[in-house]
Amino acid sequence: EVQVVESGGGLVQPGGSLRLSCAASGFTFSNYSMNWVRQAPGKGLEWVSRTLSRTTHYSDSVKGRFTISTDNAKNSLYLQMNSLRAEDTAVYYCARDQGISGTTGALGYWGQGTLVTVSS
Amino acid sequence: SYELTQPPSVSVSPGQTASITCSGDKLGDKYASWYQQRAGQSPVLVIYQDSRRPSGIPERFSGSNAGNTATLTISGTQAMDEADYYCQAWDSSTYVFGTGTKVTVL
Repeated sequence: EVQVVESGGGLVQPGGSLRLSCAASGFTFSNYSMNWVRQAPGKGLEWVSRTLSRTTHYSDSVKGRFTISTDNAKNSLYLQMNSLRAEDTAVYYCARDQGISGTTGALGYWGQGTLVTVSS
Repeated sequence: SYELTQPPSVSVSPGQTASITCSGDKLGDKYASWYQQRAGQSPVLVIYQDSRRPSGIPERFSGSNAGNTATLTISGTQAMDEADYYCQAWDSSTYVFGTGTKVTVL
């Protein structure tokens, strides 16, 4: 069974840093595009970042502040978030592409999310 | 940047058909996906590659995509289908989500 489980959320001051983790199981981790998607309180979904075979992509809203990475030996995905702002407050979801090698352009498996609150 | 627009809300009676539209420039040239998000839960993929259903998704969910509009259709709507629905397209190595539609089953 495919599972992705996020951790690492919490309260952080503006300008601070936080590292999110996502533990994956039930599939060959290195074969799939892995993503971070966020949802601000009461708002819609916003894609944040994607990685596949060491290639990375970011939304304009986080480019230069967030870094996505993986550890294939640990089947884990990470999101290093620096220079955090109040508008980064959201539930952050880890999500895997529906198909192998990112071929479907859809996110088929989602975690339960971890809440990041940026406030003084 | 690419944008996808959805109606804020759709109301439907139990057993009837609900249609949710998603508009974007030349959307029909891209793959469209749809997600269901019930209150307090994580999103669930219900349609991908315009019209394919993932394993476990009921047949009452169907999709189409042509021109500038993708459509999610829920046939024989049930109370459990009340949720927020988001369309999504794949554009230039990024995922773009629609504005979201709240489906209310009256």
